Amino acid sequence: AQTVTQSQPEMSVQEAETVTLSCTYDTSESDYYLFWYKQPPSRQMILVIRQEAYKQQNATENRFSVNFQKAAKSFSLKISDSQLGDAAMYFCAYSRGGSNYKLTFGKGTLLTVNP
Amino acid sequence: DAGVTQSPTHLIKTRGQQVTLRCSPKSGHDTVSWYQQALGQGPQFIFQYYEEEERQRGNFPDRFSGHQFPNYSSELNVNALLLGDSALYLCASSGTGASRASPNHFGNGTRLTVT
Repeated sequence: AQTVTQSQPEMSVQEAETVTLSCTYDTSESDYYLFWYKQPPSRQMILVIRQEAYKQQNATENRFSVNFQKAAKSFSLKISDSQLGDAAMYFCAYSRGGSNYKLTFGKGTLLTVNP
Repeated sequence: DAGVTQSPTHLIKTRGQQVTLRCSPKSGHDTVSWYQQALGQGPQFIFQYYEEEERQRGNFPDRFSGHQFPNYSSELNVNALLLGDSALYLCASSGTGASRASPNHFGNGTRLTVT
């Protein structure tokens, strides 16, 4: 079974600085996707960034980037120039490749942004 | 363009009762997945519906059942409620059942409290 582990229950960062959230996963599949979702107090899960396992290049979306280490099964999220609106729960998630397979989530990291 | 909508927002039920939660997918989406998120945890996959049939199922008892209608909307039914069923129930939709890892769009969830 696939598992996703987030070892940092809480993290904090000063506004405008950079923070990295960690995630490791375990799978025997070769075709899969990895995701970072953000869940603010509004409760809605918002997709932050997605990485396809067969792509060696790390995904980037504006201030958000990932460090995908396939051999180490590590998938960290870097948030640059942190903003107050980045404060939320962040979940790392895994999905097998193919047709709309289920998401397996980690337990989440609560990110606090200090002004 | 309406996103994923869930109803009701909050619900309080008594042990042993039955509950129905509803979800309308994002316009253009045909696949609906349901997740249970206990307090302080990541979401857990319950099941997924496509073409009005359950396509995938997580490790949940038969008390959890669902349905998808021809307009792609979906219901989650839970019978014989237990205190442990208290959680946030999230609905996610995605498009074109055969597409590769179509990003899931989530609703704001239904907060179910069982007393």
